[in-house]
Amino acid sequence: DGGITQSPKYLFRKEGQNVTLSCEQNLNHDAMYWYRQDPGQGLRLIYYSQIVNDFQKGDIAEGYSVSREKKESFPLTVTSAQKNPTAFYLCASSPGQPGQVEGTNEKLFFGSGTQLSVL
Amino acid sequence: GESVGLHLPTLSVQEGDNSIINCAYSNSASDYFIWYKQESGKGPQFIIDIRSNMDKRQGQRVTVLLNKTVKHLSLQIAATQPGDSAVYFCAENHYGNKLVFGAGTILRVKS
Repeated sequence: DGGITQSPKYLFRKEGQNVTLSCEQNLNHDAMYWYRQDPGQGLRLIYYSQIVNDFQKGDIAEGYSVSREKKESFPLTVTSAQKNPTAFYLCASSPGQPGQVEGTNEKLFFGSGTQLSVL
Repeated sequence: GESVGLHLPTLSVQEGDNSIINCAYSNSASDYFIWYKQESGKGPQFIIDIRSNMDKRQGQRVTVLLNKTVKHLSLQIAATQPGDSAVYFCAENHYGNKLVFGAGTILRVKS
């Protein structure tokens, strides 16, 4: 069935280690997004991609990297430069691309999230 | 209503009562608004959306009201059920930009 799949559900990072969070969608959506969620706060945008092989920084991109080699996949790497990585990470996709004419569906479809913790 | 910080506002309602969750948005040029429901440990789930050319939109048991004059959005849930307990987020989108999310409101349904 169609949707967005995030893995793993739980992930632990050691000091100085890079970790990669997986996000796959079979909705044929053009745009994909990564958000970070901290307790008691709204979602904050890390990176987004409107099309394959292209991505843009969001509001809190420092310490993170992404790639978009395939339409279906948008993995997020949390690097050792991210000093406070503990959070719930959410991947999302949408049919349309920001900046398109009115009528584009901006509605985001979210995955089930990955909880990242530091050992 | 929405707020920032570690303590989310909480709305407690009795099962069967109606719930009203409020949201104040910031950008008067925002033209699209959306409500999400998030259960513990899960991703947000779409509830309902509305464009700025409308004041009201109804779904199944839910109604969204938009007051552009005071930049206020509300979500009304009729006959609230225990399964409605969750955190509810509003988000706004100014054309060409990305969705901006509020911090959320906790809804607790008492049986």
